[in-house]
Amino acid sequence: EAGVAQSPRYKIIEKRQSVAFWCNPISGHATLYWYQQILGQGPKLLIQFQNNGVVDDSQLPKDRFSAERLKGVDSTLKIQPAKLEDSAVYLCASSLMGAKETQYFGPGTRLLVL
Amino acid sequence: SQQGEEDPQALSIQEGENATMNCSYKTSINNLQWYRQNSGRGLVHLILIRSNEREKHSGRLRVTLDTSKKSSSLLITASRAADTASYFCATEGYGQNFVFGPGTRLSVLP
Repeated sequence: EAGVAQSPRYKIIEKRQSVAFWCNPISGHATLYWYQQILGQGPKLLIQFQNNGVVDDSQLPKDRFSAERLKGVDSTLKIQPAKLEDSAVYLCASSLMGAKETQYFGPGTRLLVL
Repeated sequence: SQQGEEDPQALSIQEGENATMNCSYKTSINNLQWYRQNSGRGLVHLILIRSNEREKHSGRLRVTLDTSKKSSSLLITASRAADTASYFCATEGYGQNFVFGPGTRLSVLP
């Protein structure tokens, strides 16, 4: 069974630029999560999708971050414009149905904002 | 917030010794999970324990949950160098999503 795929693996941009991350969850997993993990900290949930609907985006900085999950499968997370403090690893995870199930994580995208 | 707080922040042990990490949280939870993250790699799920369970085992891992004290512990027996990683607890509150703690960095020395 293929795992959660993410791309790119690394991205370096300058502040005020835009960046987008892509995630392909495990086949059949209805729930998809985006996390932000700053160095030395635990992951922080940014947004949770159930199929193509948003379940929780309370911690998503909506003035600069956006995410979508068209057709309930792949998802993209965008930052526009990026700030220095956005430097982090962005993790995508999926689960069969909701947070009561085990979450499977992708390898992450490491973002450096200069 | 029901954020879990792991203790200690860092732990160094010799190969073959046991490692114990603790997680405390603030509000009632539905379940608690432990994850491992190796350097430069993604998070891997280790074990899930539900609020009505007190102890679970998986190989060399033993997890306990004490809801009266709002705490959980992860015991790794007969540690190996490959166990070197950061370990996170994640709590799910009723109607709330998972919140990860800051993690315990475990170093197993050969």
